[in-house]
Amino acid sequence: QMQLVESGGGVVQPGRSLRLSCAASGFTFSNYGMRWVRQAPGKGLECVALISNDGDDEYYADSVKGRFTISRDNSKNTLFLQMNNLRPEDAAVYYCSKGQNVVGGAFDLWGQGTMVTVSS
Amino acid sequence: SFELTQPPSESVSPGQTATFTCSGEKLGDKYVAWYQQKPGQSPILVIYQDNKRPSGIPERFSGFNSGDTATLTISETQAVDEADYYCQAWDSSTVVFGGGTRLTVL
Repeated sequence: QMQLVESGGGVVQPGRSLRLSCAASGFTFSNYGMRWVRQAPGKGLECVALISNDGDDEYYADSVKGRFTISRDNSKNTLFLQMNNLRPEDAAVYYCSKGQNVVGGAFDLWGQGTMVTVSS
Repeated sequence: SFELTQPPSESVSPGQTATFTCSGEKLGDKYVAWYQQKPGQSPILVIYQDNKRPSGIPERFSGFNSGDTATLTISETQAVDEADYYCQAWDSSTVVFGGGTRLTVL
């Protein structure tokens, strides 16, 4: 069945970097746009980065622009999020999700999430 | 910037109908999706393109979108429906989520 499994979360000091990974299985990864969505403790959902199916197009929330980079390796069915210069407000559960190939495509598959804690 | 507004809470008795609203300027011109998130779990998609249900989502879940407001309706609400519900739409290339509504089944 279709599955997304995130990894790479952990505790990091402010200003440091972290790289998240998301392994996809059960569907043709290269056919779908992918997204990273985060959720701070007790808060709502925020989409922080999107990437097209071929990796040519990327979009970022203003809150992470210039610090985070989304990328993908379609040969390895893996999505990445490189997070640099982390701030305390970046602490959250980070979910990878799969986009639908329809107009106004929703997020139809989510991983279990990986926790990022930013603390000195 | 484009925003989606949801009331923070909704309560309903078992068997009754729960209605969730999501408001945004000219929201009816965009497609809206709805997600259910139970405590400690990942979100799941329950409605997309305003009123379509993904495979496996019960017919009790329905959606509508017109004007400035989208609605998610759960008929014959059950205790298992207790969760947070988020609306989502696209504003150009930006994904926007509402703040979420917590459903309590009394």
